[in-house]
Amino acid sequence: NAGVMQNPRHLVRRRGQEARLRCSPMKGHSHVYWYRQLPEEGLKFMVYLQKENIIDESGMPKERFSAEFPKEGPSILRIQQVVRGDSAAYFCASSPISIATNEKLFFGSGTQLSVL
Amino acid sequence: AQSVTQLDSHVSVSEGTPVLLRCNYSSSYSPSLFWYVQHPNKGLQLLLKYTSAATLVKGINGFEAEFKKSETSFHLTKPSAHMSDAAEYFCVVSEAAGNKLTFGGGTRVLVKP
Repeated sequence: NAGVMQNPRHLVRRRGQEARLRCSPMKGHSHVYWYRQLPEEGLKFMVYLQKENIIDESGMPKERFSAEFPKEGPSILRIQQVVRGDSAAYFCASSPISIATNEKLFFGSGTQLSVL
Repeated sequence: AQSVTQLDSHVSVSEGTPVLLRCNYSSSYSPSLFWYVQHPNKGLQLLLKYTSAATLVKGINGFEAEFKKSETSFHLTKPSAHMSDAAEYFCVVSEAAGNKLTFGGGTRVLVKP
């Protein structure tokens, strides 16, 4: 049973380009969470999705950032017109049910985004 | 609102000596508390979690943590550090009514031979 798979591991973009980060949850998991880790900081919640639905996006910047989790395929975190401040490690986590019931999250290895 | 404070950003110990990583939290609800470890270029791995059962929680790799409600603390300990324990450790709180995890700033552990 493969774990949470994120790709790419490293992504380099120039300012103004788009970044697409992919996350395939563990088999049987229908809940996906995205977190961002800025240099020298802890992880910060961004968004929580179930299949085809955004449940909580209170941690997402209001502009340029979007996320989806389609019925088929991986969850995608999309950053348009990237700026240097977007450089960070982006982690995806999945769980079989909502963590409101204290279920454990399984984390991927992250995508390191570097904006030149 | 919930928050987590890890009191030490860096901890350095000698191999074979005890490790103590301090964590204080605040939460409006009955929280669940976790410790995660992150090795370089790896994802986060759950060490242990507290969910209102026993206040002393045993985790993997010899780690344990004690929930002290009166002190709002959830410190992580290990009696004897191993070189493989060198990593970054995150204390995390989750409110029972919410879906978000709130992470502390992390403590980087260095183990000297």
